[in-house]
Amino acid sequence: DIQMTQSPSTLSASVGDRVTITCRASQSISNWLAWYQQKPGKAPKLLIYKASNLESGVPSRFSGSGSGTEFTLTISSLQPDDFATYYCQQYNSYSETFGQGTKVEIK
Amino acid sequence: QLQLQQSGPGLVKPSETLSLTCTVSGGSISSTSHYWGWIRQPPGKGLEWIGSIYYSGITYYNPSLKSRVTISVDTSKNQFSLSLSSVTAADTAVYFCARQGSGWYRVWGYWGQGTLVTVSS
Repeated sequence: DIQMTQSPSTLSASVGDRVTITCRASQSISNWLAWYQQKPGKAPKLLIYKASNLESGVPSRFSGSGSGTEFTLTISSLQPDDFATYYCQQYNSYSETFGQGTKVEIK
Repeated sequence: QLQLQQSGPGLVKPSETLSLTCTVSGGSISSTSHYWGWIRQPPGKGLEWIGSIYYSGITYYNPSLKSRVTISVDTSKNQFSLSLSSVTAADTAVYFCARQGSGWYRVWGYWGQGTLVTVSS
């Protein structure tokens, strides 16, 4: 299985901050990577697909980059609605895996 | 608007079989562009993909669960279902059904509301 490792596990930030979350794959996944946002008690919400493509309706302050084994999710200016947990997911193979999550907390 | 409605028991005894159903409305489960599947999340932990199914019945399972998992589809009812056998406390989780795109868009775009399934006697 391809292992996905996110860092940091927890991130404390303030409204207006630029935030970057990293996801590393244990082997190359080309750009078959997605990012999701999850709030407590809710299902995850798709933000980014194919590493850098913004899902329809997602604010432009979210962006993704990377290829191969290293990927980033950036929030250019953190908003109150963005405090949540973020997960990366690889879909390079038909045995997909998620990262362990990064919780973005209010500083 | 596509909706996925989950149903099934919230409590299952150890060694028994967990069974959940997901009913799709606002779209057809026979879509040639989508897969359907299950993802779970133990309390306070991360997401784990369980498996996916195409309307024709083609399935893909998480290797770590493959021996215990069956996902099936009923196109006449626009439903798909999950069975997980020989459950233990480690299978306690919120179970989500979801729709997955295909090809370069093989991501989870629509989700059910989630069902907390507790394994306990």
